[in-house]
Amino acid sequence: EDKVVQSPLSLVVHEGDTVTLNCSYEVTNFRSLLWYKQEKKAPTFLFMLTSSGIEKKSGRLSSILDKKELFSILNITATQTGDSAVYLCAVIKKSSGDKLTFGTGTRLAVRP
Amino acid sequence: DGGITQSPKYLFRKEGQNVTLSCEQNLNHDAMYWYRQDPGQGLRLIYYSQIVNDFQKGDIAEGYSVSREKKESFPLTVTSAQKNPTAFYLCASSMPGQGVNEQYFGPGTRLTVT
Repeated sequence: EDKVVQSPLSLVVHEGDTVTLNCSYEVTNFRSLLWYKQEKKAPTFLFMLTSSGIEKKSGRLSSILDKKELFSILNITATQTGDSAVYLCAVIKKSSGDKLTFGTGTRLAVRP
Repeated sequence: DGGITQSPKYLFRKEGQNVTLSCEQNLNHDAMYWYRQDPGQGLRLIYYSQIVNDFQKGDIAEGYSVSREKKESFPLTVTSAQKNPTAFYLCASSMPGQGVNEQYFGPGTRLTVT
């Protein structure tokens, strides 16, 4: 059975801290891994990672994939209260269309 | 402007009643999806459709039904057979084969059944 596991489940930090969120997966025929941010309602897309070792970056957020060890990390530097959200990791398999298998998410709270 | 709409935002029903959740997209996407989100469980796939007039069961299809008569629309019916229907329901769409694979999500419908 395919599994996507995120850790920690929740995290509380202060503004300015750096955080690292983890996502490990066990799926057959892996194709890509995606990160989403969910604040109150609709998840919004952050990154898609397909190749190992290539960092994707957007402002203070960055992510990298390790296909040998089957995990990805999402880093947020200089956190702000607006980063408070649930961060979701999802995996797409080859020949499954665009069907996503999600992890349970990491709830991040950034205190002023 | 382009996007996915879901209605209503909040829905209340009595146990034993069927209820239909609406999902419409004007992104010209071929594929559409329905997810359920419960606290601490992430998103779980209920049904998906990769093309008009075709759909497949996801991981938790029991007690739900869908139709895909038009490309823009993918309504979800929560039937009385669904044992625990209270949840947050999210609809998404994507364009398979475009090499991007990201799914765009609607704002969700929070269903409460008492």
